[in-house]
Amino acid sequence: DTGVSQDPRHKITKRGQNVTFRCDPISEHNRLYWYRQTLGQGPEFLTYFQNEAQLEKSRLLSDRFSAERPKGSFSTLEIQRTEQGDSAMYLCASSTAVGQGYYGYTFGSGTRLTVV
Amino acid sequence: AQSVTQLGSHVSVSEGALVLLRCNYSSSVPPYLFWYVQYPNQGLQLLLKYTSAATLVKGINGFEAEFKKSETSFHLTKPSAHMSDAAEYFCAVSEEGTALIFGKGTTLSVSS
Repeated sequence: DTGVSQDPRHKITKRGQNVTFRCDPISEHNRLYWYRQTLGQGPEFLTYFQNEAQLEKSRLLSDRFSAERPKGSFSTLEIQRTEQGDSAMYLCASSTAVGQGYYGYTFGSGTRLTVV
Repeated sequence: AQSVTQLGSHVSVSEGALVLLRCNYSSSVPPYLFWYVQYPNQGLQLLLKYTSAATLVKGINGFEAEFKKSETSFHLTKPSAHMSDAAEYFCAVSEEGTALIFGKGTTLSVSS
């Protein structure tokens, strides 16, 4: 399977705990994106990487959130000191860069986080 | 900055009827435009894309969309709805070098 993989699919955590999600993009895609989606809303952009460089971060990405893509392959998104408002679906997507056969993003199935 | 407005958070049609989901965008430069579909508890699947080629774009599952620059619109249509089309649909816009910005979505219901 050459799609975008996200792990875990579901995560339930207690408020105040730290959580980490992983995303494995399509291997030939050099761009990787993180989005957050709450119930009844469209996905909201959090951050994106081109190779290992983090090129843009949304104001939604508070200091408790950090994302890495250390070798330009898989990425992790960590949330520290989780709050109930962090409960959402976290989506990862990958793409080529514009001008390199840009055909939109391929999304993973997401990680659903529930903070109790 | 670019933005997307999807008119109508919920659209209901009968099986076999025309589907029309509306999307208007705002962009300062020629945009890339997309429609995605999302089924419950799943990620987003690309239906179709406009990337400055033909203005009438055909996608999967019989859907198509027409880019109208003068109206800043990119409405999604399907001639005949099927029960399996019931899902959430998202319009999205990006400019070169920026991330996709999504609309709030339109829920399509199909009744028999």
